[in-house]
Amino acid sequence: NAGVTQTPKFQVLKTGQSMTLQCAQDMNHEYMSWYRQDPGMGLRLIHYSVGAGITDQGEVPNGYNVSRSTTEDFPLRLLSAAPSQTSVYFCASTPPGGDIQYFGAGTRLSVL
Amino acid sequence: ELKVEQNPLFLSMQEGKNYTIYCNYSTTSDRLYWYRQDPGKSLESLFVLLSNGAVKQEGRLMASLDTKARLSTLHITAAVHDLSATYFCAVELVFGNEKLTFGTGTRLTIIP
Repeated sequence: NAGVTQTPKFQVLKTGQSMTLQCAQDMNHEYMSWYRQDPGMGLRLIHYSVGAGITDQGEVPNGYNVSRSTTEDFPLRLLSAAPSQTSVYFCASTPPGGDIQYFGAGTRLSVL
Repeated sequence: ELKVEQNPLFLSMQEGKNYTIYCNYSTTSDRLYWYRQDPGKSLESLFVLLSNGAVKQEGRLMASLDTKARLSTLHITAAVHDLSATYFCAVELVFGNEKLTFGTGTRLTIIP
């Protein structure tokens, strides 16, 4: 049972490039979410999904797109990377009832 | 807008001592979570507090919730070096939507 898997672990982009951060979970959880963590700060919610085909914006959605075509996968797309998007990105999934969130290992992204 | 504040932001304490981390939030909430994060690692769920007066304990950590005061505490008893980490509280504004607002974290260092 792998839990929540994020790829890649590290990524360096140039300003203006696009990329997709992958997130997959094998626990059949309906709820998945993406957070970013900046130095000295807590996590901030970017986008979330309550099930396949349903997504919504969180606190800081600008510059990011998501889709949820399957229960297992919830990719996060950076359309045109900016230095302000340099951060650590965490994906999480939550079982029904939401008593616990399972976090992936994170993706460290640097935008030059 | 929900705001979540933790204090202290930094805490250095000696092994064997007791201390408390505080988490205040600005609006009525249904759930409060505590997480631990080791440097460069992902988040680990510690506690979920669901109702006023809730108290949960695991080893040397005990968390409590006072919804009337909008305050949660994480108490550390007889600290040991292994508890060195950053601790986050997170608040769920509306039950079932699982959108969390995180505090800025408390970086705890236990000195032998």
